[in-house]
Amino acid sequence: RKEVEQDPGPFNVPEGATVAFNCTYSNSASQSFFWYRQDCRKEPKLLMSVYSSGNEDGRFTAQLNRASQYISLLIRDSKLSDSATYLCVVSLRSNDYKLSFGAGTTVTVRA
Amino acid sequence: NAGVMQNPRHLVRRRGQEARLRCSPMKGHSHVYWYRQLPEEGLKFMVYLQKENIIDESGMPKERFSAEFPKEGPSILRIQQVVRGDSAAYFCASSPGGGKESQYFGPGTRLTVL
Repeated sequence: RKEVEQDPGPFNVPEGATVAFNCTYSNSASQSFFWYRQDCRKEPKLLMSVYSSGNEDGRFTAQLNRASQYISLLIRDSKLSDSATYLCVVSLRSNDYKLSFGAGTTVTVRA
Repeated sequence: NAGVMQNPRHLVRRRGQEARLRCSPMKGHSHVYWYRQLPEEGLKFMVYLQKENIIDESGMPKERFSAEFPKEGPSILRIQQVVRGDSAAYFCASSPGGGKESQYFGPGTRLTVL
């Protein structure tokens, strides 16, 4: 079983729409959670960390459900510039420098 | 403040040749990580280095792959006797400290083995 699994999509949404997707992780000892974005196989860029209480950064909201071992990302009022692949990333408490990446969820926002 | 630098950005090798990938961390960062991304897959951790020390190489293939981060100069990921399966994007990341410090990624080196 993969450490981190994501629906690859693609999610095709019109500008202004809301889009949400999840990822699941297999190791219950996972301690740190992040969403990165990757454009056209370029370098991953940190979008936001995910905290137990959930957190929001502008139009982006991340939630963590430890009991069910999934993380979600919601994007409100989608912009064309939000088109990217969103990578779910987790790490363990024991070696929290070792990031485990999902294969990504592709989002395409159309005009 | 320049970001993480990697070179070359694209590298083509024939089977059996050696590939050397270079990574210069961000200024002030002394921790370097290498990841590999195969087509249609997520990034996979390979190795974590500090200056002159390999901290964790649990993700490195046992043969043909090696990494170093000398006191002076960039970190080097070396692949000997490359095979087609080594074709991938290799990303380097750096952080100011270890542990949970945020990792900043370089643009990657795309290795193609013919």
